[in-house]
Amino acid sequence: SYELTQPPSVSVSPGQTARITCSGHQLGDKYVCWYQQRPGQSPVLVMYQDSKRPSGISERFSGSNSGNTATLTISGTQSMDEADYYCQAWDSSTGDFGGGTKLTVL
Amino acid sequence: EVQLVESGGGLVQPGGSLRLSCAASGFSFSNHAMSWVRQAPGKGLQWLSYITTGGDNIFYADSVKGRFTISRDNANNSLYLQMDSLRAEDSALYYCARASDYRPHGMDVWGQGTTVTVSS
Repeated sequence: SYELTQPPSVSVSPGQTARITCSGHQLGDKYVCWYQQRPGQSPVLVMYQDSKRPSGISERFSGSNSGNTATLTISGTQSMDEADYYCQAWDSSTGDFGGGTKLTVL
Repeated sequence: EVQLVESGGGLVQPGGSLRLSCAASGFSFSNHAMSWVRQAPGKGLQWLSYITTGGDNIFYADSVKGRFTISRDNANNSLYLQMDSLRAEDSALYYCARASDYRPHGMDVWGQGTTVTVSS
């Protein structure tokens, strides 16, 4: 399996920029996806192939991946962005998730 | 409407078996790879298994390899997960998710999940 590490929590004020990181060995050589999961709901894909937004996902969401770290950036953070966020990357035949980051909008 | 509906969860004793089903509708099921993902209460997501459109490539997480078997029936738009030798740590909400044969495209449609409880 491939280990992905995320900070357990990130806090941001409304309107500010939130950055959620995901770290793994030579992660920049792999493609990363990001999922948002609001309480009691199923996950939603918010970023794929490092930096591509699925249809219907706000332009406030962006992604990058280089070296050992991938980053999901949420600009102009809103209360509706408060959720758990998970990164995922494929390592040959396994598609492991990071442990998740709880984003709190204070 | 694009939809995935899981079923088959329930209470099972340790060492027992269960078969989960996922019914797909609103899209061409045979054109999409599929995955199973689970989430234990209060915990994060755990990827379990992946199957390509034709079922010719199948992958498993180490934690379920040899115990779980993924399969699909394209004629009936259905995905399955046969779970054997179940353990208490397999208790979780099980999701099926639509994926792509090109895995970096991610899982873009998820069901609501079906709950599996392994307990005596």
